[in-house]
Amino acid sequence: DQQVKQNSPSLSVQEGRISILNCDYTNSMFDYFLWYKKYPAEGPTFLISISSIKDKNEDGRFTVFLNKSAKHLSLHIVPSQPGDSAVYFCAAGGYGQNFVFGPGTRLSVLP
Amino acid sequence: DGGITQSPKYLFRKEGQNVTLSCEQNLNHDAMYWYRQDPGQGLRLIYYSQIVNDFQKGDIAEGYSVSREKKESFPLTVTSAQKNPTAFYLCASSSRGTGNNSPLHFGNGTRLTVT
Repeated sequence: DQQVKQNSPSLSVQEGRISILNCDYTNSMFDYFLWYKKYPAEGPTFLISISSIKDKNEDGRFTVFLNKSAKHLSLHIVPSQPGDSAVYFCAAGGYGQNFVFGPGTRLSVLP
Repeated sequence: DGGITQSPKYLFRKEGQNVTLSCEQNLNHDAMYWYRQDPGQGLRLIYYSQIVNDFQKGDIAEGYSVSREKKESFPLTVTSAQKNPTAFYLCASSSRGTGNNSPLHFGNGTRLTVT
C-alpha cells in the first residue's frame, strides 16, 4: 500500500512554461514534506520543503503548495529550463516517522 | 567541502558473496540512512541509525546488515541472503533524526550488480 503516490510517471513541458508535479499521500500523520530532484546515476538533491503549518513555500523558481484537506502537494517550476529535466521525488514524514518516498515523476523540458 | 561519499560507484559481485558498501559523511550529522532504489519505485528504507552504536531496521532490512561504530561512517553489507540484491543503493544523513523535520542529504549512490 503506497503511502505516497506520484501518479504521473512522466511529464513533458516546453522550455519557459510552467511545470507542475503532483504528489498525494494517505497518512494524515505526515506533517513535513520534501521535494528532491535526481539525475541518472546520482543521488537525489534536496529542492524545497514545506511544513503542514504552511500552505505554500517558495524558493526562486520553485514553489511547493500543500493542501492538507486533500492530502495533496504540488511542485511548480517557473520558468522551466532544460536543466530541470530529471526525476522528481516527493517525500513525506512526521513526528517519529521516517520519510516515505513516492515513485517519482520524470520531467522532460523541451527546448 | 562537506558531503556524503559513497564508494565504489559501481560494484559487481557473484551470487552468494557478501559485499559491503561504504558511506562516509563529514557533515557532523547524527542520523544516517540506507535506501534502495529500483526502477519505477521510490526509495525504500533499509536501515537507519540516529546515534553511534545504535541502528534500526527499515522497511526492507532482510538480507542486509549495518554497523555504526563512528559518527562519520555507516557501512552496509549486502549478504547472500538478500534475494534481489541488484539495485542502486543510496546513503543519506540528516542533522536531526527521524521525525525531526530535517531534510535528508544523499550521497551519489552505489550501483550493485550481482550475477
